[in-house]
Amino acid sequence: AQSVAQPEDQVNVAEGNPLTVKCTYSVSGNPYLFWYVQYPNRGLQFLLKYITGDNLVKGSYGFEAEFNKSQTSFHLKKPSALVSDSALYFCAVRALRIKTGANNLFFGTGTRLTVIP
Amino acid sequence: GAGVSQSPRYKVAKRGQDVALRCDPISGHVSLFWYQQALGQGPEFLTYFQNEAQLDKSGLPSDRFFAERPEGSVSTLKIQRTQQEDSAVYLCASSYRRDISYEQYFGPGTRLTVT
Repeated sequence: AQSVAQPEDQVNVAEGNPLTVKCTYSVSGNPYLFWYVQYPNRGLQFLLKYITGDNLVKGSYGFEAEFNKSQTSFHLKKPSALVSDSALYFCAVRALRIKTGANNLFFGTGTRLTVIP
Repeated sequence: GAGVSQSPRYKVAKRGQDVALRCDPISGHVSLFWYQQALGQGPEFLTYFQNEAQLDKSGLPSDRFFAERPEGSVSTLKIQRTQQEDSAVYLCASSYRRDISYEQYFGPGTRLTVT
C-alpha cells in the first residue's frame, strides 16, 4: 500500500521569496515520486520526478525537489516565487501494481499556492 | 507537439442518463490511464490500458463504469445511468511506455455534472 500526505492545504508566500510545498510519502519498496501543477481549467502538468540518483531533482519553471529517504519527504522548492506560480500543486507516488503492470499515480490532496505581489 | 486531448470539456447530464467521455492520447503512447478527480481532492485511479488491453480496472467505482480502447489509441470512458456522486472531473493520461520512470501526460479533463 502507499500513501501521500500534503500537510498544508494552503501556502501563501510573497513574490520574490523562497517557497516550499511539503510532501511526505509511504511506500513499500523504492519510491518513485512526482510533482504536478494544476492551473484552473487545465490538466495536470508534470514538474519533476525522482526515480533514482541525486537527491536534489531539478524540474520545470525553476522548481526543484529534495528527496529525503530518512524523513520520507519530497518537498517542492523554488528560490524566488513568481505571481504566475500561483496554482494547485500535487505530490504523487507511483503505485507499482506488479500483477497488472498499471503503475498508476497515487496523489496527495493538493496544496494551493498563492504568491502575493 | 499535440498533447492529450479530451472531449467534451464540460458535460451536464440528468440523473439516469448515459455519458461517453473521449480521450485522444499522445501519438505513440502505449499506456493510457483514466482518473477521477472530485472537487477539492487529488485525482484517483480508475483504469489502465496498455495498447488495446485493459490490464487494470480495479479503480472503477461500480459496474456502471466501462472503458475501452479498441485500436490502442483513442479511449472512451462510459458511465451508464449516471448518479449525482459521479459528478467530478475525469482526467485521461498517457505515457510513452509502461516503465515506471516515464511520466504521465494529462489532458485538460472533462467536467461532468449530474443534475
